[in-house]
Amino acid sequence: GQNIDQPTEMTATEGAIVQINCTYQTSGFNGLFWYQQHAGEAPTFLSYNVLDGLEEKGRFSSFLSRSKGYSYLLLKELQMKDSASYLCAVRNNQGGKLIFGQGTELSVKP
Amino acid sequence: DGGITQSPKYLFRKEGQNVTLSCEQNLNHDAMYWYRQDPGQGLRLIYYSQIVNDFQKGDIAEGYSVSREKKESFPLTVTSAQKNPTAFYLCASSRSSGEGEYFGPGTRLTVT
Repeated sequence: GQNIDQPTEMTATEGAIVQINCTYQTSGFNGLFWYQQHAGEAPTFLSYNVLDGLEEKGRFSSFLSRSKGYSYLLLKELQMKDSASYLCAVRNNQGGKLIFGQGTELSVKP
Repeated sequence: DGGITQSPKYLFRKEGQNVTLSCEQNLNHDAMYWYRQDPGQGLRLIYYSQIVNDFQKGDIAEGYSVSREKKESFPLTVTSAQKNPTAFYLCASSRSSGEGEYFGPGTRLTVT
């Protein structure tokens, strides 16, 4: 079967670091994506991992372990505007579709 | 500027009416997708198209129909057969090489 799990919600403090985890089970693997979605808006692309390891892009980093079926999104120097839902998505080998997790609602407090 | 457009942003319909949501992209992407998002839930795939004149059902295709007559356009029709059509509908596109999907601004459909 195909399944993606991530925590429903998290809270963190402005200026801190937060790690959002994602575990997945898919029939074939062809890349993992992280998206940010503010309330009422469309998701925007954050990162893409297809090989094991860490991808860094400014304040955001994403890590992948294919053998463990595990990824995390790391947000540093949190800002209030980082309050949003973070979606983990996996592309499988069957038609190249993206399978989305339910999203993690992150609240950044002052 | 390249991008994906969806119109209208908000749409209201009476129960029993069919309604068509538009999606246009000028990114020259081969693949296009339609998702539905309900409050507190992730995105669920309705239909997708990897190439012009071809499309496949996603996980929740019942009550929906699509067409892909042009590369730039992928309209979605929500039929009266869809039991619970009120939702946020998102269109996306990607290059066929399997890179990330880029999303349009979405259409919030309310059926009463």
